[in-house]
Amino acid sequence: EPEVTQTPSHQVTQMGQEVILRCVPISNHLYFYWYRQILGQKVEFLVSFYNNEISEKSEIFDDQFSVERPDGSNFTLKIRSTKLEDSAMYFCASRPIQSSYEQYFGPGTRLTVT
Amino acid sequence: GESVGLHLPTLSVQEGDNSIINCAYSNSASDYFIWYKQESGKGPQFIIDIRSNMDKRQGQRVTVLLNKTVKHLSLQIAATQPGDSAVYFCAGGISNFGNEKLTFGTGTRLTIIP
Repeated sequence: EPEVTQTPSHQVTQMGQEVILRCVPISNHLYFYWYRQILGQKVEFLVSFYNNEISEKSEIFDDQFSVERPDGSNFTLKIRSTKLEDSAMYFCASRPIQSSYEQYFGPGTRLTVT
Repeated sequence: GESVGLHLPTLSVQEGDNSIINCAYSNSASDYFIWYKQESGKGPQFIIDIRSNMDKRQGQRVTVLLNKTVKHLSLQIAATQPGDSAVYFCAGGISNFGNEKLTFGTGTRLTIIP
């Protein structure tokens, strides 16, 4: 069964460093998302992406964040200058077609900012 | 703004019994809801969805009930098994030509007692 994959599974970085989290959505999916989950808290929406542009973003998704689909298969989330409060699980999700509600989530990348 | 929440943070159920997990939402704008299951160290896994114009939907061993009058959603799991132990989230979405973001609740940790 196809699944969303994410790399790395765990990323440790120092405050102020740039990180890129990578996702490979399911191949025939059209809509892509990033969510994050701070330890012990609920999953929060960051950004949605369709047709090579951002569809919607949350207040969390400020100028330090960017997304890209560089080659038709990967979908990346970049944090330019990480802060301690960026430490969280970051989930990528994808969705096949407009009429399906289900978003398929990847296993997540645990980002630890020290 | 939209918010989705849960009544109980934890629930323990004897193996073989039925489980009922509840969720309350405050904003009527959501036109569909999804229940996700999250096992430790994994991403959310789709269980079942329901449109806001429905009051009940059944899947395999699961039933979702929606009461729009009191803005309440529940997930019933029949004959619970050890593999059902996980955190369960409800999430609300607003149809937007695929650009939906999901608003998650805080989650209920379900523990199945052998």
